[in-house]
Amino acid sequence: QKEVEQNSGPLSVPEGAIASLNCTYSDRVSQSFFWYRQYSGKSPELIMSIYSNGDKEDGRFTAQLNKASQYVSLLIRDSQPSDSATYLCAFGWGNTPLVFGKGTRLSVIA
Amino acid sequence: DADVTQTPRNRITKTGKRIMLECSQTKGHDRMYWYRQDPGLGLRLIYYSFDVKDINKGEISDGYSVSRQAQAKFSLSLESAIPNQTALYFCATSDPDPTGGDKNIQYFGAGTRLSVL
Repeated sequence: QKEVEQNSGPLSVPEGAIASLNCTYSDRVSQSFFWYRQYSGKSPELIMSIYSNGDKEDGRFTAQLNKASQYVSLLIRDSQPSDSATYLCAFGWGNTPLVFGKGTRLSVIA
Repeated sequence: DADVTQTPRNRITKTGKRIMLECSQTKGHDRMYWYRQDPGLGLRLIYYSFDVKDINKGEISDGYSVSRQAQAKFSLSLESAIPNQTALYFCATSDPDPTGGDKNIQYFGAGTRLSVL
């Protein structure tokens, strides 16, 4: 069974610091990797997608993928209180639905 | 207007009642999904459909049924609601786009909060 492992947190960081969120996945054939942000009671929204090994940057967000280690991470630079949310990691392959982790709760302290 | 619309947004019902949650999308995607989310359990897939004639069970389909009325519409039914079906329900869509780009991304509706008393 395909699985995604995430530390449930909460992960607390001070405002302005770098938040580092990590995720491991069980299947070497996975092709697409995603980070979703979910505010309490709201729907998940995509913040990053990554398909190749290495880093992908978008504003304050950087996703890092290492397929050999089956590991994907999300760095949030200059963390803001508005970044406080649950971050869901997901991966997919071929014609199958995405597999989601249970999420890491991030708290940015002002 | 939202690309993925769920109705109702909130629903309170009683044990044993039949209830339908509806999802419609204007994204033109072929693939649609129903998830439920419970605290500490993450998103769990109930059913998914890759086109109008395709219906597949997810990991927790017992007690649920679905109907794909059109490319844009995918409904979830609880035939006889029970209290442990109290949860937040999400519909999602995706477009496989085999040509590359941002493929396989799932887009979520705003959710339906269901309470079964």
